[in-house]
Amino acid sequence: QVQLVQSGTEVMQPGASLRVSCQASGYTFSTYDIHWVRQASGQGLEWMGWMNPDTGRGGYAKTLQGRVTMSSNASISTAYMELSSLKSDDTAMYYCARLSAWGIRYPRAYGMDVWGQGTTVIVSS
Amino acid sequence: EIVLTQSPDTLSLSPGERATLSCRASQSITTTYLAWYQQRPGQAPRLLLYGASNRAPGIPDRFIGSGSGTDFTLTITGLEPEDSAVFYCQHFGGAPYNFGQGTRLEI
Repeated sequence: QVQLVQSGTEVMQPGASLRVSCQASGYTFSTYDIHWVRQASGQGLEWMGWMNPDTGRGGYAKTLQGRVTMSSNASISTAYMELSSLKSDDTAMYYCARLSAWGIRYPRAYGMDVWGQGTTVIVSS
Repeated sequence: EIVLTQSPDTLSLSPGERATLSCRASQSITTTYLAWYQQRPGQAPRLLLYGASNRAPGIPDRFIGSGSGTDFTLTITGLEPEDSAVFYCQHFGGAPYNFGQGTRLEI
C-alpha cells in the first residue's frame, strides 16, 4: 500500500544537527512533492517546507531558512529533512507528507493525502 | 503571506448533532487551494477535503466543505464519538502553505 515510513526518535543536544528520513513505497516517488510539517507538544501544525524529488526544487518557511535543508535520494525513494543549530524550541513531532493534486485544468486542487507516522525529536542538554 | 484563522477554538457537542467549523483567510484564496485535515490524539493528520469541498477517498459524506474567497466552512453532520479530534484548514495559495491554528471538537 502507499505509505511513508519515517526514521525513529532522536534525542539531540542543543546546537547539533538533525536528519530525519522519510521512505516512500507503493507509488512512484519522483512524481509527488514531499512536504515537512512539525508539531510541538499540544500545539498546532507548522508547515516547514517542501521539495520535489524529481527536480530538487523546493522552498522553506522563512522562520527556518538558513537552518533547514530538504533533499532526496530517488534510488531508494527516500526524502530527508536536515535541521541545524538545534534549539529547545525545535522539540516536536516531525511529519513528512505527500502532496497530491486533483483536476486536469488550472487551478488544480491540492492536499497532503499520505503522511508519515511522525518522528519525535527532543532537543535537550 | 496568507494567514488562516479558525473558529471556534473548541467546540463541545453531543452525538448526532451538527458541527460547524470556520476557516477565514487574510486574503482571498482560490477555492481549489483550501484543504481540511482531521487529527485524532496520538495520530498523524488525515486529509478530509481538498479543493474546499471534495472529500478525500474513504471520507464519509457526513463531512461537507463549503465556502469561497476568504471564508470557508467544514460541516460535520450526525456527529459520532470517533469524530473527536482537532481539525485544521490549510491553503496552497502560495508559500508558506500555512495551517490554521485548529479547532478542537469534543463529542
